[in-house]
Amino acid sequence: EAGVAQSPRYKIIEKRQSVAFWCNPISGHATLYWYQQILGQGPKLLIQFQNNGVVDDSQLPKDRFSAERLKGVDSTLKIQPAKLEDSAVYLCASSPTHENEQFFGPGTRLTVL
Amino acid sequence: QQQVKQSPQSLIVQKGGIPIINCAYENTAFDYFPWYQQFPGKGPALLIAIRPDVSEKKEGRFTISFNKSAKQFSLHIMDSQPGDSATYFCAASSHTGANNLFFGTGTRLTVIP
Repeated sequence: EAGVAQSPRYKIIEKRQSVAFWCNPISGHATLYWYQQILGQGPKLLIQFQNNGVVDDSQLPKDRFSAERLKGVDSTLKIQPAKLEDSAVYLCASSPTHENEQFFGPGTRLTVL
Repeated sequence: QQQVKQSPQSLIVQKGGIPIINCAYENTAFDYFPWYQQFPGKGPALLIAIRPDVSEKKEGRFTISFNKSAKQFSLHIMDSQPGDSATYFCAASSHTGANNLFFGTGTRLTVIP
């Protein structure tokens, strides 16, 4: 079974630029999560989707971050404009339902200069 | 506010030793307590999880001890091996609501051959 796929794996941008990350969850998984993991810290949830609907986006900085999962499968996370403090690994995870084990992708490491 | 507090931040043990990582929580609604293992450049992977109806769960060399009254839980790794060197995260969630995972800050374990 293929795992959660993410791209790109690494991205370096300058502050005030925009960036987008892509995630393809495990086939059949209804729930998709985006996490931000700052160096030396645990992952912090940004947004949770159930199919193509948002379940929780209370921790998403909506003035600069946006995410969508239009067809209930893959998802994109965008940052516009980026700030220095956005430097982190952005992890995508999926689960069959919101009550099951979450499977994580390898993450995208973002560096904002 | 950190929902789950984890200690120590780092741990070094000799091969065959028994490292112990501790976590504490405040939210009594939490009813699922997983431990994740993360290697450099990889996403977290579920190691073992426990629900509050039991005080201990063992899977292979990994054991979770759970103290509901103290709101604490810990991970023990028996007969630790160099391949266990990784960062370990505890987490907690509640099935009520969105069932989001709240992660601890992580423990970097090094097992010396």
